Parts: sequence; structure tokens; C-alpha cells
Amino acid sequence: EDKVVQSPLSLVVHEGDTVTLNCSYEVTNFRSLLWYKQEKKAPTFLFMLTSSGIEKKSGRLSSILDKKELFSILNITATQTGDSAVYLCAVHTGTASKLTFGTGTRLQVML
Amino acid sequence: NAGVTQTPKFQVLKTGQSMTLQCAQDMNHEYMSWYRQDPGMGLRLIHYSVGAGITDQGEVPNGYNVSRSTTEDFPLRLLSAAPSQTSVYFCASARNTEAFFGQGTRLTVV
Repeated sequence: EDKVVQSPLSLVVHEGDTVTLNCSYEVTNFRSLLWYKQEKKAPTFLFMLTSSGIEKKSGRLSSILDKKELFSILNITATQTGDSAVYLCAVHTGTASKLTFGTGTRLQVML
Repeated sequence: NAGVTQTPKFQVLKTGQSMTLQCAQDMNHEYMSWYRQDPGMGLRLIHYSVGAGITDQGEVPNGYNVSRSTTEDFPLRLLSAAPSQTSVYFCASARNTEAFFGQGTRLTVV
């Protein structure tokens, strides 16, 4: 059975801090790993990673994949209150575009 | 662009009632799926479809049925609602890349 594990489950930081969110996986027929941000409603797409060692970057957010050790990290620098959300990691497997999600990391950024 | 449209947004059912959650996408995506999200459980896959006429079970399929008669539509049917099915349901569609989600249906079974 495919498995995606995220840590920590929750995190409280102050504005300006840097955070690192972790995602490890054990799946068959890996295709890609995706990060989503979920505020009050539907998850919104952040990054898709397919190759090891290549950093994806968008503003203050960045992510990297290690396919040998089967994990990914999501970094957020200079956090802002608007970064408060649940961050979901999902692994895309098989030929059927199946997505398996982790339980998410709830990030709260305080003033 | 409408993207993925889910209806209704909210629903309260009595135990034993049946209902259908609707999901439609206008992106011509082959893959569609239904997830439920419970506190502390992340998103769990209920059923998915790789194209019209093809469906398969996900992680938590019991108590739910799906069909895929067209590329655009992927309804989720609750046959006999139970309190354990109280959850937020998300429909998603994808084509080889990221999944696009509907806005969710908050379902309460009393």
C-alpha cells in the first residue's frame, strides 16, 4: 500500500522565521511528488517535483526531492501570517495518475 | 474557466438517506477522483476514474458508488448515509500533472 508521511503535524512560528516541512514516501511506480497549500477551502497547487536534486522555487517557497532517500522538503523563508495554512504533500503513482496524500502539516504564523 | 465544479457546497442527511454529490470539469481531463478529508487524516482517496466507462476503488470505497458515463462528469453516490460519512468531500481532475480540486462539499450525517 502506498504511504506518504508528513512531519511535523503542526508548527507555530513567528513572522520572519524560516520553516522546513518534511514529506517521506513509500510507493510503487513513483511518477512525481506534489505540494499543495490548503487554507479554508480546496488545496491549491504549489510545486511538482519529478527529478532528484533540482530545486523548485516560487518567491519565498522552495522545494526539493531526494528520490534515493524517498523524501522531499518544502522551505518557507521570511514567513508571513498569510502563510498560515495546511501544507499537503502528495505522490503521483502508476499509470492512472493516482494521488496519495499525506496527513498534512498545519502551519500557524504569528505576529 | 470553470475548472472543477462541485455541488452542493453543504448538505445535511439523515442516517439511511441516499444522495449524489455532483462533480463536473471542463478541462477535458481523463483522470477524476473523489477524496474525503477528516481532521488529522489528510485527503483519502475514495474512488477514481481514468476515463469514461472506467472506475476503480481507492483507499476508502465502502459505502460509496461512482460512475463515469462522460469525460466531464463523475458523480459520487452515498447509498445509505452513515454518521461515519460526515466529512468534507473533494473532487479532483488531472491529466498527467497536478490535480485541480473543486471547492468541496461539507456533508453532515445525523
